[in-house]
Amino acid sequence: DIVMTQSPDSLAVSLGERATINCKSSQSVLYKPNSKNYLAWFQQKPGQPPKLLIYWASNRESGVPDRFSGSGSGTDFTLTISSLQAEDVAIYYCQQYYTTPLTFGGGTTVEI
Amino acid sequence: EVQLVESGGGLVQPGGSLRLSCAASGFIFSSYLMHWVRQVPGKGLVWVSRINGDGTITTYADSVKGRFTVSRDNAKNTLYLQMNSLRAEDTAVYYCAREFYNDLRNWGQGALVTVSS
Repeated sequence: DIVMTQSPDSLAVSLGERATINCKSSQSVLYKPNSKNYLAWFQQKPGQPPKLLIYWASNRESGVPDRFSGSGSGTDFTLTISSLQAEDVAIYYCQQYYTTPLTFGGGTTVEI
Repeated sequence: EVQLVESGGGLVQPGGSLRLSCAASGFIFSSYLMHWVRQVPGKGLVWVSRINGDGTITTYADSVKGRFTVSRDNAKNTLYLQMNSLRAEDTAVYYCAREFYNDLRNWGQGALVTVSS
């Protein structure tokens, strides 16, 4: 199984400041024939299902504010919130869909 | 608008069975792979199972293999998860999700399954 490791477990960021979350996979999730990284980022707020933010490591889902961005390739990925808003308080998960079993990182709690 | 609505959750004794349903709307159900993902309250997300569009290919996490069965009725636009030999560690919120170009694009609100005597 591909193990996804997120860091930090939690972080507190001031409103308007940058938040950076890291995700590392135990093996590459880059599929070389199409040059795509099979890596997604989700946001989950209390009592709600996960919401897809980023797919293919860096593509923003429709309707997601552009303060959210994803980067990285191979085994190392980053989710950046450029200017934290109050509504961004949530738990963020990375997930690989390169192979089954699909696996998720342990989550990063973002607080103000 | 894509909608996924789970039902069938509840309290069941260890060793018992339960069937979850996921009613889909807003898209051509038979054209998409579907997944089940679970989450122990307060914990992380764990993938459970996947089924292809016509229901002929299924994949399971090792933790549920041989006990859970995923199926679908494309005429009813409904996904199912039959859960047998339930254990306390199966207690979780179960989400169905639609796969869209490989990612888990759309999720239902979840159904809580509690396994306890």
